[in-house]
Amino acid sequence: NAGVTQTPKFQVLKTGQSMTLQCAQDMNHEYMSWYRQDPGMGLRLIHYSVGAGITDQGEVPNGYNVSRSTTEDFPLRLLSAAPSQTSVYFCAVLSSGNTIYFGEGSWLTVV
Amino acid sequence: DAKTTQPPSMDCAEGRAANLPCNHSTISGNEYVYWYRQIHSQGPQYIIHGLKNNETNEMASLIITEDRKSSTLILPHATLRDTAVYYCIVRVAGINAGNNRKLIWGLGTSLAVNP
Repeated sequence: NAGVTQTPKFQVLKTGQSMTLQCAQDMNHEYMSWYRQDPGMGLRLIHYSVGAGITDQGEVPNGYNVSRSTTEDFPLRLLSAAPSQTSVYFCAVLSSGNTIYFGEGSWLTVV
Repeated sequence: DAKTTQPPSMDCAEGRAANLPCNHSTISGNEYVYWYRQIHSQGPQYIIHGLKNNETNEMASLIITEDRKSSTLILPHATLRDTAVYYCIVRVAGINAGNNRKLIWGLGTSLAVNP
């Protein structure tokens, strides 16, 4: 997980609230992405970015927004949280050597 | 959909070799085989990758069949700390080729190392 920092680690939200999960990397890599992981579902790609100013949708983008204004940061925004968004979220960075580095995860509960 | 097939679970005795199979029958000539593992509640961790030749590092060995349609990850002397979910994925090197950008993951193999 070295070089990929996610915050917060734990968060409880009420339905309808908004929040932002932060992801920062200090490795200067272009590719960053967000996954969610639910029991029995594996890792599912939410959004990804191949560089500053460029983002695209993954498998499960609904309910989430992203932006990439700098190489270092790739925040994930929940505009109106729903219980279905209760999950563990992982930020991932792809290195130039094609190794994927993951953050430590953010546990989100929506009540 | 993921382009790999792995058994959902396996058991291994501590100290013995753990051999985790992966089928990737539709692999393309320029696609690499990558292995990652995820220990409970942590982010996935890179283990090893290869294209054609067998590879070995301090963590594991990767054996790729000659036709590249399957591979096996070998943990030579499994310990209790190797209990994890192991993911096999195939992808083209780099991020500029179409669906390769989406880095889709399957469900992996849940390996239980028993004392």
